[in-house]
Amino acid sequence: ETGVTQSPTHLIKTRGQQVTLRCSSQSGHNTVSWYQQALGQGPQFIFQYYREEENGRGNFPPRFSGLQFPNYSSELNVNALELDDSALYLCASSYPTGRELFFGEGSRLTVL
Amino acid sequence: DQQVKQNSPSLSVQEGRISILNCDYTNSMFDYFLWYKKYPAEGPTFLISISSIKDKNEDGRFTVFLNKSAKHLSLHIVPSQPGDSAVYFCAVLRGNEKLTFGTGTRLTIIP
Repeated sequence: ETGVTQSPTHLIKTRGQQVTLRCSSQSGHNTVSWYQQALGQGPQFIFQYYREEENGRGNFPPRFSGLQFPNYSSELNVNALELDDSALYLCASSYPTGRELFFGEGSRLTVL
Repeated sequence: DQQVKQNSPSLSVQEGRISILNCDYTNSMFDYFLWYKKYPAEGPTFLISISSIKDKNEDGRFTVFLNKSAKHLSLHIVPSQPGDSAVYFCAVLRGNEKLTFGTGTRLTIIP
């Protein structure tokens, strides 16, 4: 059984640029959630996708957007990057009726 | 408005002794509680959970206790081992809403 995988693992961008992060969910999981973890903080919920539809959103501006594909993989897009967007971005998948999330290793984004 | 608090940013425990990590929450509507463990350069890993209808759940060396009247959750690890050194996050759920995480406690096990 393949776990949650994310790419890229590290990347550096400059202010104003755009970034796309990718996530492959664990086999059998059809729900994908994205979290942002800033230094010294717990993960903060960005949004969740279920069957290709957004299914809940946290307190993040519209420049954070996402997609889920028919194979349940997902993308997180961030436009007009700001310095405060520097963080570890975590993708998590879950079973349709499960309450535990299974996380990938994360993508560490640095905005200069 | 921080709904989940882990007031100890760090904790050091001698190998073989008990580690106790604490978590407080504010909303009595939360009905499911989880602990995650995170090593550097890895994503959080699910450790143990408890439903609000229980007050204790045990899995090997790990036991989670829930005190609903005090809105307090704790994780006991006994005996503590060097591989337990990690950051531990508590997380709470209400129905099918998103997981809300605490800020984490860094546990260091001293050999």
